[in-house]
Amino acid sequence: EVQLVESGGGLVQPGGSLRLSCAASGFTFSSYEMNWVRQAPGKGLEWVSYISNSGSTIYYADSVKGRFTISRDNAKNSLYLQMNSLRAEDTAVYYCARDIRKGLYNWFDPWGQGTLVTVSS
Amino acid sequence: SYELTQPPSVSVSPGQTARITCSGDALPKQYAYWYQQKPGQAPVLVMYKDSERPSGIPERFSGSSSGTTVTLTISGVQAEDEADYYCQSADSSGTLYVFGTGTKVTVL
Repeated sequence: EVQLVESGGGLVQPGGSLRLSCAASGFTFSSYEMNWVRQAPGKGLEWVSYISNSGSTIYYADSVKGRFTISRDNAKNSLYLQMNSLRAEDTAVYYCARDIRKGLYNWFDPWGQGTLVTVSS
Repeated sequence: SYELTQPPSVSVSPGQTARITCSGDALPKQYAYWYQQKPGQAPVLVMYKDSERPSGIPERFSGSSSGTTVTLTISGVQAEDEADYYCQSADSSGTLYVFGTGTKVTVL
């Protein structure tokens, strides 16, 4: 069974840092691109970042560019999101999602259960 | 920035048809994907490449596309279909992914 399990969320002060992890199992992690997607309380989904299977290609949403860093360790079947200079508006549930690619097109399936990040003093 | 627009809510009686639209300028060039999210749960893919249904998704879910609008149709709506639905696509460059504003489907 394909499974994604996020961890590392919690309460952090504005300006602080946090590192999220996503443990993958049930598939060949090194063959798949991955994403982080977040959802603020009571709000919609917002794509955050993408990383290719080798880690050589990375994209970020404008809202996190320069503050967040996505990375992966294929030997450990793990995806990471280093979040620095956190702001109140970064408060959200953060999901990792496997990227399914067919040619030029890709979508997210499945998703992890999410980890909550709260930025507050 | 690129945006995908959905109606905030759709209400439908059991057994009727719900149609959820998603509009975006790049949709003629990019496929759309649909996710269902129930309260307290992670999103689940229910449609990909406009009209292809993943395995395990009931046949009452279908998708279509016309110009700058894509539509997710739920035929014969059941109580278990009550959820938030999000469309997702990419901008014209294919490097920025965007979600629609979300539609809450209420089964009366």
